[in-house]
Amino acid sequence: DAMVIQNPRYQVTQFGKPVTLSCSQTLNHNVMYWYQQKSSQAPKLLFHYYDKDFNNEADTPDNFQSRRPNTSFCFLDIRSPGLGDAAMYLCATSRGWGRGAMNTEAFFGQGTRLTVV
Amino acid sequence: KNQVEQSPQSLIILEGKNCTLQCNYTVSPFSNLRWYKQDTGRGPVSLTIMTFSENTKSNGRYTATLDADTKQSSLHITASQLSDSASYICVVSGEYTNAGKSTFGDGTTLTVKP
Repeated sequence: DAMVIQNPRYQVTQFGKPVTLSCSQTLNHNVMYWYQQKSSQAPKLLFHYYDKDFNNEADTPDNFQSRRPNTSFCFLDIRSPGLGDAAMYLCATSRGWGRGAMNTEAFFGQGTRLTVV
Repeated sequence: KNQVEQSPQSLIILEGKNCTLQCNYTVSPFSNLRWYKQDTGRGPVSLTIMTFSENTKSNGRYTATLDADTKQSSLHITASQLSDSASYICVVSGEYTNAGKSTFGDGTTLTVKP
């Protein structure tokens, strides 16, 4: 059974029209991440939540926002999508950090392929 | 700066053949190294995870090795199948680094042909 679920799998949005991608998890993990992955590149971390604490990466554009209303759900909001934002967006989860969770896995969802027209 | 370099960038092999993918890293202090398989258009799926004290770990036809002294890892695929065609990503975590904030390699794209 899927443990990290992303919806939708494919999303087409218009240039400049706000769009929201969703992620849910059944693992009860503390940490949820959002990545952007462009073709033939490594996933690029945008931000993560440790429980309710939001942690933005320094180079994540302001156009990208996130919400985590509860442990299970996390959303990625793109306020004004540009053509350069077309990519695969990956959600992942892991247990919290510290010695007890040092060698744990990050579990990824299937991704949402975003197309901007 | 922590880095993970993978080679080759891409590889084409015939079905049934073996292959080995390489991963070199500079992450320090080291905690663990993971190999993921990512099918086209899908999220990465974990194959193996190795800590400092582990030299090898297998998952079916996939065998990962780790030399923490030289900071090198390899992923060996035995008797390749068409379904092995995918990108293989090496991910290295530093000590006390959250699993998702680890350093990702750019991946090796493997194509298995009949």
